[in-house]
Amino acid sequence: AQTVTQSQPEMSVQEAETVTLSCTYDTSESDYYLFWYKQPPSRQMILVIRQEAYKQQNATENRFSVNFQKAAKSFSLKISDSQLGDAAMYFCAYVKRGGTYKYIFGTGTRLKVLA
Amino acid sequence: ETGVTQTPRHLVMGMTNKKSLKCEQHLGHNAMYWYKQSAKKPLELMFVYSLEERVENNSVPSRFSPECPNSSHLFLHLHTLQPEDSALYLCASSQEVTSGHRDFGPGTRLTVT
Repeated sequence: AQTVTQSQPEMSVQEAETVTLSCTYDTSESDYYLFWYKQPPSRQMILVIRQEAYKQQNATENRFSVNFQKAAKSFSLKISDSQLGDAAMYFCAYVKRGGTYKYIFGTGTRLKVLA
Repeated sequence: ETGVTQTPRHLVMGMTNKKSLKCEQHLGHNAMYWYKQSAKKPLELMFVYSLEERVENNSVPSRFSPECPNSSHLFLHLHTLQPEDSALYLCASSQEVTSGHRDFGPGTRLTVT
């Protein structure tokens, strides 16, 4: 069965610094999507970044980038130049490409940004 | 804010009450979902609708009853809930059930007393 593990329940970062959130997953599939979602306090969950497993190039979205290591089944999120608005719960998620709707979510990492 | 809205945002109900949660999306999506989010646990998929047809009931107790009258609206009817049902209930939608991306609503914070 597929699993997603976020081993850091909470992380802190100084404003303007860089932080990396970890995510590992387990699957026997070769074609899948990986996501990072952000859930600010009392606000809705939004997609931060998406990675397609067949693409070797790491996805980047402004200050957010991932380090996708397919062989190691690792998918970490790097936030550069951290801002106060980055404070939120971050969820890593996996879904098999096509034919299934069963997202697998991690338990989340709470990111605090210190001024 | 995304194109998925949920009402009410907060709900407190007794164990004998009957209430309903509403979700609405104006994204033209064909698939809609209910998730339960509890502290320190992964999001739990409850129900999936594709083109108004339920395609998944993920072993959810019968005290939760979904309804999807059209592709833009999704309800979750609640009756005789238990305190352990207190959680954040999230609605989401996607273009198709096989689409990778989900758009989430803000959630309804439910407290069962």
